[in-house]
Amino acid sequence: AQSVTQLDSHVSVSEGTPVLLRCNYSSSYSPSLFWYVQHPNKGLQLLLKYTSAATLVKGINGFEAEFKKSETSFHLTKPSAHMSDAAEYFCVVSDSYGGSQGNLIFGKGTKLSVKP
Amino acid sequence: EAQVTQNPRYLITVTGKKLTVTCSQNMNHEYMSWYRQDPGLGLRQIYYSMNVEVTDKGDVPEGYKVSRKEKRNFPLILESPSPNQTSLYFCASSITGAIGNTIYFGEGSWLTVV
Repeated sequence: AQSVTQLDSHVSVSEGTPVLLRCNYSSSYSPSLFWYVQHPNKGLQLLLKYTSAATLVKGINGFEAEFKKSETSFHLTKPSAHMSDAAEYFCVVSDSYGGSQGNLIFGKGTKLSVKP
Repeated sequence: EAQVTQNPRYLITVTGKKLTVTCSQNMNHEYMSWYRQDPGLGLRQIYYSMNVEVTDKGDVPEGYKVSRKEKRNFPLILESPSPNQTSLYFCASSITGAIGNTIYFGEGSWLTVV
């Protein structure tokens, strides 16, 4: 069975410092992994996705994530935080076996605060 | 502009009064789904549809119904709402149900059942 754990419910950083949002997954097969961002009162927007191509995935707004199979991790990083990055971030996993988006599992979310 | 549109965005209703949340997408997507978001629980899938006239239960289907008579519309029906259905609801779509396709979300519908 697949599952996803976001290790921090809340992360606070200062503007200009690095961001690290941690995600661990459990999957019986080759997973697809995603990071979504949700700004206040908005829907979710795809930041980046891993679907068994390059293990280092670059997304929008300077974010990237690295798929590490040995650690079952897919942590999201950004070298320098901006105030506009303050939002909630969701790690999402899906088993590629069976092939349906109906098998998406969302993490519980990490709220990122950015201090001036 | 490509979008997923939900209505109403905000609704307060009373227990037992049937309501429908509409969802429409203008991208000719085959796949559509409904999620609810509750604090500390992330998003949980209610129902999804791989194509017209094809619907399946997600993780939390109890108390909800859906239909997919047309490709662009996927309404969520609460036949007899209860307070535990107070939540933020998202409709989503993607070009197909295959893994890896980008999912597009609506802006959410805040539902309060008193």
